[in-house]
Amino acid sequence: AQTVTQSQPEMSVQEAETVTLSCTYDTSESDYYLFWYKQPPSRQMILVIRQEAYKQQNATENRFSVNFQKAAKSFSLKISDSQLGDAAMYFCAPGSNYKLTFGKGTLLTVNP
Amino acid sequence: DTGVSQNPRHKITKRGQNVTFRCDPISEHNRLYWYRQTLGQGPEFLTYFQNEAQLEKSRLLSDRFSAERPKGSFSTLEIQRTEQGDSAMYLCASSPSGRLADTQYFGPGTRLTVL
Repeated sequence: AQTVTQSQPEMSVQEAETVTLSCTYDTSESDYYLFWYKQPPSRQMILVIRQEAYKQQNATENRFSVNFQKAAKSFSLKISDSQLGDAAMYFCAPGSNYKLTFGKGTLLTVNP
Repeated sequence: DTGVSQNPRHKITKRGQNVTFRCDPISEHNRLYWYRQTLGQGPEFLTYFQNEAQLEKSRLLSDRFSAERPKGSFSTLEIQRTEQGDSAMYLCASSPSGRLADTQYFGPGTRLTVL
């Protein structure tokens, strides 16, 4: 079984600034993947970034990057040059055996 | 639109009625998943299919819930004798075979309200 903790229920950032969302997890699996998804208000879940746990190199996707610390079971998301369209609920989700376990989410507000 | 589609988008029903939701995955995705999301929470896994085979079911999936994927394409999720506690967003996702088999792409969801 996996558990996920997103300790920041809400975060805010100024447009063009950088923000980091934290996530810690616990798993007994040796083979797993990690994801961040965003869910804008009343809109569908969108994949932001994917990390393979066996890879030490941190994943990056344009303005989004992760800091993956496997030993600490930490998987934070950094958003650079924040844009108004980044405002959403962000979910951390480790996955193994084709099953994702989601945290409770962090609501990100972007201030103009 | 080649994404995951779900119908209906909204469903309001009275307690005790049966409801059925449909999910059409991305073309050629062989795995299909169902999740439930209640207000203020992250989605919770319900079940998943590889082609037409249902490979795992969560303990959350009580006997009143049944899911099918008869021809390995679209899937249906039926809830019998609905209860107010069934009110939630029901999300469907699909993933391809190959290198990205673990990567799930979500549909817009079906919001169920049980009165």
